Amino acid sequence: AQTVTQSQPEMSVQEAETVTLSCTYDTSESDYYLFWYKQPPSRQMILVIRQEAYKQQNATENRFSVNFQKAAKSFSLKISDSQLGDAAMYFCALMKTSYDKVIFGPGTSLSVIP
Amino acid sequence: DTGVSQDPRHKITKRGQNVTFRCDPISEHNRLYWYRQTLGQGPEFLTYFQNEAQLEKSRLLSDRFSAERPKGSFSTLEIQRTEQGDSAMYLCASSQRTGGDYGYTFGSGTRLTVV
Repeated sequence: AQTVTQSQPEMSVQEAETVTLSCTYDTSESDYYLFWYKQPPSRQMILVIRQEAYKQQNATENRFSVNFQKAAKSFSLKISDSQLGDAAMYFCALMKTSYDKVIFGPGTSLSVIP
Repeated sequence: DTGVSQDPRHKITKRGQNVTFRCDPISEHNRLYWYRQTLGQGPEFLTYFQNEAQLEKSRLLSDRFSAERPKGSFSTLEIQRTEQGDSAMYLCASSQRTGGDYGYTFGSGTRLTVV
């Protein structure tokens, strides 16, 4: 079975500062995808960043970057220069093959303090 | 292309009534997924289709739930004899296998409240 764990139900960050959200997962697959999704109060699930497990290089998308530790099954998200619009629920997610179902973690609620 | 559309956005129903939700995927996407999200939790997989074939159903999908995708385009999710525990957000997503491109897109969801 595949599982995703997020140990931080809530996090807060000062505007313009950096915050790191934690995620660990478990899978028996050797090849899989990892994602961070953002869900603002409007409820639209938005893809923030993705990482292919076979790639050693950590993914980066503008202010968002990940620290992917395959052996430790860890996948953290770093948000730099936090903005008010970053406030949302963040879900770590796992997909075992391309275009398969996505397994989500319980989420981390991020607040950005002006 | 306007993305994945779900209708209605909100539905309030009395316990015991039947409800049906609709999802219109991105037109060229051949896979369609249904998820359920309760308050404060991550979405949970319910079922998915490749074209019109329903390929997998979660054990969360009790016999009161049925999903169809009759022509491989839009999909419906019906809940019969609704219970208060069915209150949740029902999310639809679609995807298309096209080379290395990742086209997994979520809709805005249908929020169901059973009173």
